Amino acid sequence: GQNIDQPTEMTATEGAIVQINCTYQTSGFNGLFWYQQHAGEAPTFLSYNVLDGLEEKGRFSSFLSRSKGYSYLLLKELQMKDSASYLCAVMDSNYQLIWGAGTKLIIKP
Amino acid sequence: DAMVIQNPRYQVTQFGKPVTLSCSQTLNHNVMYWYQQKSSQAPKLLFHYYDKDFNNEADTPDNFQSRRPNTSFCFLDIRSPGLGDAAMYLCATSTPTGTHSGANVLTFGAGSRLTVL
Repeated sequence: GQNIDQPTEMTATEGAIVQINCTYQTSGFNGLFWYQQHAGEAPTFLSYNVLDGLEEKGRFSSFLSRSKGYSYLLLKELQMKDSASYLCAVMDSNYQLIWGAGTKLIIKP
Repeated sequence: DAMVIQNPRYQVTQFGKPVTLSCSQTLNHNVMYWYQQKSSQAPKLLFHYYDKDFNNEADTPDNFQSRRPNTSFCFLDIRSPGLGDAAMYLCATSTPTGTHSGANVLTFGAGSRLTVL
């Protein structure tokens, strides 16, 4: 079966750096997405990786290793507003999105 | 601003009383999706439309139906809501040509939270 694994919850301190990991096993691969979802709101797109390596976008970076079935989302200079769930999703060979359950990130002052 | 709008944001219904949730988009995207998301769980795809072509997920209960009368609008009908159908229902759109380096990025509406009493 297809599976996306990510930690359920993480806690970090304001101003610090946090890395949220995602491992996947899917039927084929057509890209990996990270979405941010604040409580009670819809997911919003953060990043997309289809080739190995690091994609940087301001305070957020996303890394992909296709051979390892692994990605991480790196958040720098954490702000209180970064408290949210972070969803990892992989597009499989049929262009279907397989979603992880999300990692709830709690930021403490 | 181009966007995806869902109504109502909050819906309370009684067990077995039909509910219709609506979604409209100004993005002119070909594809529209309906997801169900329960607390701390991954979004679960119920069905999607590619233009007028309807694609039902194999495990979507018959209790859930959908209509897409035109490019801009899509409806989710829950014919006889049960307690297990209480969830956030998310509408999303995308375009096959992609909006980010060719990626098929989904744009979500704010969601409709359904409570079943």
